[in-house]
Amino acid sequence: GQNIDQPTEMTATEGAIVQINCTYQTSGFNGLFWYQQHAGEAPTFLSYNVLDGLEEKGRFSSFLSRSKGYSYLLLKELQMKDSASYLCAAMDSNYQLIWGAGTKLIIKP
Amino acid sequence: GAVVSQHPSWVICKSGTSVKIECRSLDFQATTMFWYRQFPKQSLMLMATSNEGSKATYEQGVEKDKFLINHASLTLSTLTVTSAHPEDSSFYICSAPDRVYEQYFGPGTRLTVT
Repeated sequence: GQNIDQPTEMTATEGAIVQINCTYQTSGFNGLFWYQQHAGEAPTFLSYNVLDGLEEKGRFSSFLSRSKGYSYLLLKELQMKDSASYLCAAMDSNYQLIWGAGTKLIIKP
Repeated sequence: GAVVSQHPSWVICKSGTSVKIECRSLDFQATTMFWYRQFPKQSLMLMATSNEGSKATYEQGVEKDKFLINHASLTLSTLTVTSAHPEDSSFYICSAPDRVYEQYFGPGTRLTVT
């Protein structure tokens, strides 16, 4: 079956760095997405990886290893506004997104 | 970036009534739109894929006669929750792909059934 695993909750300190891991198993693969979702709001797109390696976009970076079925989202210089849920989603061979349950990130001052 | 709107943002209805939620792509055409449901502290659950000009594809366990989807044009899809019950109370979100690798989400509709 298809499956996405990511930690339920993580806590980090303002100004620090945090890495949110995601492992996936899908029927075929057309890319790995990360979305940010604040409470009561819809998800917003953060990143897309389809090739192995690290994609850097400002304070956020995303890494993919297709052979390991593994991705991570790296957040640097954490700010209080980064407190949110981070959703990992893999696109299968039918271009359908398979969603993880999300990682709730708590930032402490 | 592309914009997807949803209406209404929130709605309260009585048990047994029907509620219609609209999803519009404002600056692009979407032959496909997706409808999700999200319960508190849970991830998105895909309910159905809405296809312009054809019948929607429903995920396993989603009652197609209860959740009516109509994709009337390239910019509008509607989800009607028929004979709503309190257990249908949830956050309903639509999304539309602008390109293959990016989906744009509507702001969501919070439905409360009393």
